[in-house]
Amino acid sequence: DADVTQTPRNRITKTGKRIMLECSQTKGHDRMYWYRQDPGLGLRLIYYSFDVKDINKGEISDGYSVSRQAQAKFSLSLESAIPNQTALYFCATMAENTGELFFGEGSRLTVL
Amino acid sequence: SQELEQSPQSLIVQEGKNLTINCTSSKTLYGLYWYKQKYGEGLIFLMMLQKGGEEKSHEKITAKLDEKKQQSSLHITASQPSHAGIYLCGADRGYQKVTFGTGTKLQVIP
Repeated sequence: DADVTQTPRNRITKTGKRIMLECSQTKGHDRMYWYRQDPGLGLRLIYYSFDVKDINKGEISDGYSVSRQAQAKFSLSLESAIPNQTALYFCATMAENTGELFFGEGSRLTVL
Repeated sequence: SQELEQSPQSLIVQEGKNLTINCTSSKTLYGLYWYKQKYGEGLIFLMMLQKGGEEKSHEKITAKLDEKKQQSSLHITASQPSHAGIYLCGADRGYQKVTFGTGTKLQVIP
C-alpha cells in the first residue's frame, strides 16, 4: 500500500459544486502539503500544515480551504469549483529529520 | 510569480548524450530538492542538497548546489530513454515551506 494515499484519483465536476480531495498517510509525519500542477507552471503550493493546529497558506490559497482532521489526514476543499481549478493536485508529507517530501499519486480534477 | 526559475523549459537529446538542467533562486535557500515526474504521474525523489558547494550523485545523475545556495544544476551523463520525464527543483525557503520551479520537460530520442 502507498504511504501517501489520495482520493479520489480522478474527478469530473461542474462549476459551483463543492469538492473535497482527501489525503491520508501512514508515515507518521507531522508536516503535510497540498500542491496543484498545471502545464508549464510546475507545482504551486496551496496550503501546508505542521500539525492539526498549525495550518498555513501557500502561494495560491484563494478559492481553497483545508482541514487537518488528524496527524494522518489532510483534506483540501474547493467550496465552489470553477473551471480554472482544473488541475492535477498532489498531497505530500515531509520527513522532519531529512526534509524529504513524499508525494501521493495525485488527484486529477476537471471542472466543467 | 515563480520564485524558482528552471532552464531550459524543455529539452530533446539523443540517447547517450549528456545534459544539464539549471535551477536559480533570487534568494538564499535552506534546502534544494530535485524530483522527477513521469508524465501525469507522481513525483520521484532524486536528491536533496543543503550545504553550499554540496554535490550528490545517484546512478548517472549528479546535482550540485552553488556556494551561495542560490543556484543548482542537475547533470545527466549518457542519457537513456528511461531518463525522460519532467524534472522539478524545489526549495525550502525556511520553516519548511517548500515551493517548486516550473519544471523541465526532457525527451530522450533513441
